[in-house]
Amino acid sequence: DAEITQSPRHKITETGRQVTLACHQTWNHNNMFWYRQDLGHGLRLIHYSYGVHDTNKGEVSDGYSVSRSNTEDLPLTLESAASSQTSVYFCASSVRGAETQYFGPGTRLLVL
Amino acid sequence: GENVEQHPSTLSVQEGDSAVIKCTYSDSASNYFPWYKQELGKRPQLIIDIRSNVGEKKDQRIAVTLNKTAKHFSLHITETQPEDSAVYFCAASTTSGTYKYIFGTGTRLKVLA
Repeated sequence: DAEITQSPRHKITETGRQVTLACHQTWNHNNMFWYRQDLGHGLRLIHYSYGVHDTNKGEVSDGYSVSRSNTEDLPLTLESAASSQTSVYFCASSVRGAETQYFGPGTRLLVL
Repeated sequence: GENVEQHPSTLSVQEGDSAVIKCTYSDSASNYFPWYKQELGKRPQLIIDIRSNVGEKKDQRIAVTLNKTAKHFSLHITETQPEDSAVYFCAASTTSGTYKYIFGTGTRLKVLA
């Protein structure tokens, strides 16, 4: 079955380290999104992409980067992890021209 | 900037009663409004959505209403059951054609048996 997966599901890292979170979807969706979820803030958009080689900043993009080299994957990189980036990260995707987003299972990241 | 306000932040109801969650958005160009349910430790899952050309939509015990003039929309759950207990998020697709969401901060619904 087509799906959207994230890895790792849990990650502990130290401040200053580079971390990459993977997101992979097999629906052939053009649109992909990264959110972080924190208590009291809901889900906030970090970066998004409408297709290969397209990336855009969301409302909380500082300290994060993405690249889109194929349709299936949108990895999220924390260039130098900070304790403020401790959060649950969700990837989502949607069909080109459609609004409905489908979420991955999430990655829980702890930065010590 | 673009904003979605959601109220209440927590809501407790007796099993069988109705629950109503309200959201207000700021971007008048928003034209798509989904509602997601998130159970503890799980991913958000779409339960219902509405587009700006429709005033109300129902799916069994769930309904959503939209008032474009006032820029607010609401989720109504009737005959609540314990399995309805979860966090509910509203969202607005901010500008037509961008497919970005701005989410509300969530409502924790507890259905008391």
